Amino acid sequence: GIQVEQSPPDLILQEGANSTLRCNFSDSVNNLQWFHQNPWGQLINLFYIPSGTKQNGRLSATTVATERYSLLYISSSQTTDSGVYFCAVLREETSGSRLTFGEGTQLTVNP
Amino acid sequence: NAGVTQTPKFQVLKTGQSMTLQCAQDMNHNSMYWYRQDPGMGLRLIYYSASEGTTDKGEVPNGYNVSRLNKREFSLRLESAAPSQTSVYFCASSVRDSVYEQYFGPGTRLTVT
Repeated sequence: GIQVEQSPPDLILQEGANSTLRCNFSDSVNNLQWFHQNPWGQLINLFYIPSGTKQNGRLSATTVATERYSLLYISSSQTTDSGVYFCAVLREETSGSRLTFGEGTQLTVNP
Repeated sequence: NAGVTQTPKFQVLKTGQSMTLQCAQDMNHNSMYWYRQDPGMGLRLIYYSASEGTTDKGEVPNGYNVSRLNKREFSLRLESAAPSQTSVYFCASSVRDSVYEQYFGPGTRLTVT
């Protein structure tokens, strides 16, 4: 099956700093999503981005499908950005298809 | 619009007990999914239902059964709970098949002692 690697595994920032999270995947994909899991465990959809660039406020994401990676940018980080960021990808196959998650990046933003 | 709802939020079971986790969505989505998340890990797919009346196994189906009761509801049953099934369970839905964006419920935290 498809492999998903996220880096870095852990990231500690001071409030106001910028950061870039990376997601590498091992094969072409039909779907790529970024999620934020907040400290209460809730999964929040950030981006549905199988290719191209999207922006939503202080967050933006870019997926370069041909090179099999995606980047999530967080600018002017806030303490509420803390939590785990997951990348998940899907490749349609004749045997079925499923969203495969990476192991996440644990982000801590200190005041 | 509540999105995806799950009940219960928390549950503690003894080994060998059974229970059903409930999931409902009000977005008129065709596809629904059950995932589990173990500590420090991403989510893994247990079962999914591409459309009403169909269900398929995911990556980790052993020890679970599912029922797509109607278009809105998709339940997950543990017939004989084991400590290895201690996890957080998430339900999700999407407009159609997995290619489309998935939306997740708040999760059920299950402990099996």
